[in-house]
Amino acid sequence: DSGVTQTPKHLITATGQRVTLRCSPRSGDLSVYWYQQSLDQGLQFLIQYYNGEERAKGNILERFSAQQFPDLHSELNLSSLELGDSALYFCASSVAGQATTYEQYFGPGTRLTVT
Amino acid sequence: GDSVTQMEGPVTLSEEAFLTINCTYTATGYPSLFWYVQYPGEGLQLLLKATKADDKGSNKGFEATYRKETTSFHLEKGSVQVSDSAVYFCALSNQAGTALIFGKGTTLSVSS
Repeated sequence: DSGVTQTPKHLITATGQRVTLRCSPRSGDLSVYWYQQSLDQGLQFLIQYYNGEERAKGNILERFSAQQFPDLHSELNLSSLELGDSALYFCASSVAGQATTYEQYFGPGTRLTVT
Repeated sequence: GDSVTQMEGPVTLSEEAFLTINCTYTATGYPSLFWYVQYPGEGLQLLLKATKADDKGSNKGFEATYRKETTSFHLEKGSVQVSDSAVYFCALSNQAGTALIFGKGTTLSVSS
């Protein structure tokens, strides 16, 4: 158990809909990362938050957004869903800010199926 | 930009066979290198890491050595078990607190 929790585990929804994925980082971790895992694209970085503020953006679509709350949990919002958004979405956390610590700890993921 | 290239799978081995999964990288500077493992239906788990050239990461019988001259970080295990069947991802991070860049993953299947 990595200490990172994600809900829900599975999500099935229709095209055009909007969903919210939730992540709670490990205790003490300030940084949260969101990744998308799909068969064709592999594991791709979407966005990072550090202590409530956006720190870096990767290949995140404009239809997607995220935020990190004062209690450090994070939510990833996906809107106007398309079939191609079906994927596994992972959250990871790390103690960013300590120069000797690079590793990230991953949650179990949320499997999104868009029908 | 930075990238990671892994050997294509699947890799199919018999129990107790020797395992090598090749990983090479392209990066500016001196990245940290990682191997993550994903068991069926689960998230990614950190298997091992190396943060500087010639470092050897090891865990659960797996090893990988950071080779700057060949920009490689090959994963090895002397004797695989059925329970090692999983997808293995090589990854790099060029700076503390930044996103990981992953290879495409290599599926390992071990039969008894």
